[in-house]
Amino acid sequence: NAGVTQTPKFQVLKTGQSMTLQCAQDMNHNSMYWYRQDPGMGLRLIYYSASEGTTDKGEVPNGYNVSRLNKREFSLRLESAAPSQTSVYFCASSAGTSTWETQYFGPGTRLLVL
Amino acid sequence: KNQVEQSPQSLIILEGKNCTLQCNYTVSPFSNLRWYKQDTGRGPVSLTIMTFSENTKSNGRYTATLDADTKQSSLHITASQLSDSASYICVVSAWKGGSQGNLIFGKGTKLSVKP
Repeated sequence: NAGVTQTPKFQVLKTGQSMTLQCAQDMNHNSMYWYRQDPGMGLRLIYYSASEGTTDKGEVPNGYNVSRLNKREFSLRLESAAPSQTSVYFCASSAGTSTWETQYFGPGTRLLVL
Repeated sequence: KNQVEQSPQSLIILEGKNCTLQCNYTVSPFSNLRWYKQDTGRGPVSLTIMTFSENTKSNGRYTATLDADTKQSSLHITASQLSDSASYICVVSAWKGGSQGNLIFGKGTKLSVKP
């Protein structure tokens, strides 16, 4: 039982390049989330998927797109990377979107945009 | 505006000592409050969740308190260990109807436990 896994662990991009961050969970959770964590700031929600087939914007969605490929997988795409997107990206999952649900986080992807 | 403020920003203590981390929030309407532990290079892990009516909740050497009147929470760590070195994040859920809520994350307190 691996929990939430993310690939890659680390990535360097040049401005304007595109890439997709992958996330998968094996806990049969319905809801999945993408966050970014920047120095001196709290985690901020980019996008979330309450259930398979649905996605919604979070607090900072600009510059990102997401795909809920199936119940297990939720990917985050940067179409044209910018230095402001340098950050650590965390994927999380929970059984549901109730405020009482515990979110389980992956190990993170460290992205550097030059 | 919903906000979560944590103090101190960082803290260094000796192994075996106790410490208390603070969380003040201005979140309305309040649903619940969680403390997460984030080891360096890892994702956050939930330590405890507290509701409006709960004053104290323990998880091993971690004890969280909540004062809903003053909108303050604390996380007390007893007999600290080197493995307690981590960032501790306070997360408050703002109720938005039904069972749904928005999570507001604090910036965290970075704790270093020295031998």
